[in-house]
Parts: sequence; C-alpha cells; structure tokens
Amino acid sequence: EVQLLESGGGLVQPGGSLRLSCAASGFTFSGCAMSWVRQAPGKGLEWISAISGSVGNNPSTYYADSVKGRFTISRDNSGNTLYLQMSSLRADDTAFYFCAKARVPTSSKPDLDYWGRGTLVTVSS
Amino acid sequence: QSVLTQPPSASGTPGQRVTISCSGSSSKFGINYVYWYQQLPGTAPKLLIFRDNQRPSGVPDRFSGSKSGTSASLAISGLRSEDEADYYCAAWDDSLSGQGVFGGGTKLTVL
Repeated sequence: EVQLLESGGGLVQPGGSLRLSCAASGFTFSGCAMSWVRQAPGKGLEWISAISGSVGNNPSTYYADSVKGRFTISRDNSGNTLYLQMSSLRADDTAFYFCAKARVPTSSKPDLDYWGRGTLVTVSS
Repeated sequence: QSVLTQPPSASGTPGQRVTISCSGSSSKFGINYVYWYQQLPGTAPKLLIFRDNQRPSGVPDRFSGSKSGTSASLAISGLRSEDEADYYCAAWDDSLSGQGVFGGGTKLTVL
C-alpha cells in the first residue's frame, strides 16, 4: 500500500526557515517523480515544486515562480524521503503542504495518484 | 505563464449532468494534457482524470473529461450527493523552465 506521510510543519516567523519531510512507502521511491502542492486555509490548490526520479545523482527540479529561489526540493532515496527546504518565509506561505507521487514515475507533471494528508505551515510573528 | 480559469461554483440536482470548465490562457494549453482532481472537505485531493480524458481505475464512468483547443471540461453525469466537493483542473506550463499549474477550483453543490 502506498503511503506518504508529511512532517515538519509548524509555526515560524516571517523570514524564517523550515524543512518539510515526506516519508514514502509502498512503491519504488527512487525511480518515481514527486511533487509538493500547497493549499492555504480555505483556498485552492497551488503546485509549488516537483523533482524527477533519480537518474544518477542529479534529478531535475521544477519550481513555481512564487517559491523559486526560496524553496528547494530534494530527495533521499536511501531513506525513501522527500524534502522541501523553505527559507525567507512569508505570511502568504501559510498553507497545508501536501506531498504527492507521480502516476507515471518518469513524469514530473501534475499527474499525481497518491497524496499525503498534508502538514500545516503557519508563518506569523 | 499559463493560467487556468474555472468558474468558482457549480450546482445540480441528483441525477443531473453537470459540467465544469477549465480555460487555459497559454497557447500551449492545447498541447499539454489536463488533469482533474476532486477534493472532498477535509481530505487530500484525488486524481479523477488524467491525460485529458482518462480515468484511473476505481473512478466511476460517471466522470468524464474532454478538451478542445484551449478549453477543457469535466462532466459528471448521474449526479450524487457524495459528488459535492471542490474540483480542480491542472496542467503543465512549458514556458521558461516548466512548472505545474492548478485552476482556482470549482465548488460543486448538489442541491
């Protein structure tokens, strides 16, 4: 059974940093593209980042304009874990952050067949 | 950058057929596939349609997707109360370095 479990959310001050983790199980994580999608409370979904399945040690990464230069997506294939390093956080980054698995392992597109339950990040002073 | 526009709300009565539109602003929208998600209150999104009109296993055939030019649609036939949810379209934007994009979402109410 595919399982995705996000962690690392919490309260952080504006300008601060936070690292989210997504523990994956039930599928071949190393070969599978993964994504992060967020949802501000009461608002719609926002795609924020994707990472390809590892080819060598240099997977391709993609970012939404809203987080480019501030967020970094990465993966630890030995530990079956996806990460999102967030820095220079702003109030409008407050959201539930979901990790999701690509339906087609080689595709980084928003074609996502399994999702975690999300972790809440609150940016506030 | 591509923007996907959805109506904020839609409604129907049980048994009725409803459609939700998704309009793309990029000229490349017609080239890239559209995906549809259903999000029930308090839950994670669920993939409903991939590659414009394909259903994952387990999704009832009451749900169907189509695309023509820069517009896509999700149709739900035989509407049920459990279909009341938020629906989102999504696509890939090839411009610049490439990124995903979601529509603003449509809240479907079953009257």
